[in-house]
Amino acid sequence: GDSVTQMEGPVTLSEEAFLTINCTYTATGYPSLFWYVQYPGEGLQLLLKATKADDKGSNKGFEATYRKETTSFHLEKGSVQVSDSAVYFCALSDTGGSYIPTFGRGTSLIVHP
Amino acid sequence: GAVVSQHPSRVICKSGTSVKIECRSLDFQATTMFWYRQFPKQSLMLMATSNEGSKATYEQGVEKDKFLINHASLTLSTLTVTSAHPEDSSFYICSATSGGSSYNEQFFGPGTRLTVL
Repeated sequence: GDSVTQMEGPVTLSEEAFLTINCTYTATGYPSLFWYVQYPGEGLQLLLKATKADDKGSNKGFEATYRKETTSFHLEKGSVQVSDSAVYFCALSDTGGSYIPTFGRGTSLIVHP
Repeated sequence: GAVVSQHPSRVICKSGTSVKIECRSLDFQATTMFWYRQFPKQSLMLMATSNEGSKATYEQGVEKDKFLINHASLTLSTLTVTSAHPEDSSFYICSATSGGSSYNEQFFGPGTRLTVL
């Protein structure tokens, strides 16, 4: 079945550091890929998405590129801020039919001033 | 963007009582709503999928009689935890989709923290 593997956290960085959170997936079809962010005590918010190979999703300085050849969708940001501290979930869903995403376990990001 | 609300945001109850959690789509009609459970430092576990006007589809291992789901309208779904016990303490998150797009994006509520004493 479909699965998503994320790097284990927590990831601890200083403000303005470069961020990479790795995500790889296994899927039988051609899924859409997503990154969600969860701030403390809140639900999930869609951060960015890519629906086909080589697409780059971007939002709020974050970006991720859908790499079919390596089945990856790594999240990057050039300069993190303290306000980026949150848990980040990589997810995939099969296109067509009902939309039920498969989530990774989440990676906690802690940014220090 | 589409907004989904949940009520209450936090609830504390005694063991043996029932708790109802509401999930509302505020500015769109939700043809399908999903209920998730999230344990500390873990990912979301899908509990059930509900379509307006029909019975919910539960994931394997989720007790239907324990977690009652009602999706009576296109903007409201409720999850009732019946005879709650401490092991039911968790963070419950709903999401909703309006359908009609190629990938039917889900919009998530802010979650409800349930603590059973």
